[in-house]
Amino acid sequence: SQQGEEDPQALSIQEGENATMNCSYKTSINNLQWYRQNSGRGLVHLILIRSNEREKHSGRLRVTLDTSKKSSSLLITASRAADTASYFCATDASGGSNYKLTFGKGTLLTVNP
Amino acid sequence: GAGVSQTPSNKVTEKGKYVELRCDPISGHTALYWYRQSLGQGPEFLIYFQGTGAADDSGLPNDRFFAVRPEGSVSTLKIQRTERGDSAVYLCASSRQGGVETQYFGPGTRLLVL
Repeated sequence: SQQGEEDPQALSIQEGENATMNCSYKTSINNLQWYRQNSGRGLVHLILIRSNEREKHSGRLRVTLDTSKKSSSLLITASRAADTASYFCATDASGGSNYKLTFGKGTLLTVNP
Repeated sequence: GAGVSQTPSNKVTEKGKYVELRCDPISGHTALYWYRQSLGQGPEFLIYFQGTGAADDSGLPNDRFFAVRPEGSVSTLKIQRTERGDSAVYLCASSRQGGVETQYFGPGTRLLVL
């Protein structure tokens, strides 16, 4: 079963605009990660944010985490056509099974040139 | 260095047949994971290896699915008596150790059962 839910399911923007994707989850977590997937194949790890962190940056990526609301957001600034992909949040459960990632259904981002 | 590799890239088989999917993790990574991704869904956990042993196989859907990692490196996911519902992309990932570590994914094997 899926732990997270990404919102929106699909997002279409113009090159240069910012893209914001949200993720909500149900149970307590250790960490939340964001992955990108091109054309339904391998996932690329983007960023990991720990449960005691509120915000993290990596290049054009900004991730926030609100554990009280069990939600996270991924912001991609100054988007490029190459950012077109599906984006997934993944959580690992607090406790012993922290190796087991639980993914949402993803947001399909289309960046139009 | 090389990333995680998976073979074959695509596999078409008939209902009832046996298939094997192979994963070569990043060299030196002790932890290896298999996930399955159905169309329009996120990946779902199948099994986790730490070294040669399956530390958690709770995600395997039934006893037709089995995975091995005999020398603690390459892993093979085996599916017996395939069913049309087994059609999906099977993803393998590895990490340096288990626990809270970045998991590096391979390109996946797209399995189609006719």
